[in-house]
Amino acid sequence: NAGVTQTPKFQVLKTGQSMTLQCAQDMNHEYMSWYRQDPGMGLRLIHYSVGAGITDQGEVPNGYNVSRSTTEDFPLRLLSAAPSQTSVYFCASSYSLAYEQYFGPGTRLTVT
Amino acid sequence: DAKTTQPTSMDCAEGRAANLPCNHSTISGNEYVYWYRQIHSQGPQYIIHGLKNNETNEMASLIITEDRKSSTLILPHATLRDTAVYYCIVSGNQGGKLIFGQGTELSVKP
Repeated sequence: NAGVTQTPKFQVLKTGQSMTLQCAQDMNHEYMSWYRQDPGMGLRLIHYSVGAGITDQGEVPNGYNVSRSTTEDFPLRLLSAAPSQTSVYFCASSYSLAYEQYFGPGTRLTVT
Repeated sequence: DAKTTQPTSMDCAEGRAANLPCNHSTISGNEYVYWYRQIHSQGPQYIIHGLKNNETNEMASLIITEDRKSSTLILPHATLRDTAVYYCIVSGNQGGKLIFGQGTELSVKP
């Protein structure tokens, strides 16, 4: 199993550009989520999904969109990048709600 | 979800037990206590979780007080590779959402 994979590892965007951060898991997990981590801070939940076709907002959803068309993939879209979205983004998945979550290696995004 | 309070940082000598405390005085009956750690720049790693009873696995032990208002994560023989930020999280079943606080930065020293 590859576990949770994220692409790209690094990305630099200009203000106003859009992009999609990819997340995939091969463990047949129903639950997937996106977090961001700013320097010196803990992780903050952006969006999560409890299964294909179902998504919901976390703590800091503004400026981000998600969709879940398959069990395996959970992409995160930045609609119009802003410098405040400079962060490290982590994707996670788990078997179900109360089980341990497996995190990907992260995407380091810089918006100039 | 209930909030947690952890010390900002702790030191531990290599080979000794590391005891990391966490207060969660507003925990409700259906909420679990989870522990994760994050080694520099990597994605967080699950360690252990529990509801009421003490739990042990190959990585650590989790001791939850009888009133469930606090818990302690124990790394029985800390190594330099255990240097990390440790997060104590309380979460219920409703969404499996993990709300991370600041965590405890554990430094294991030779």
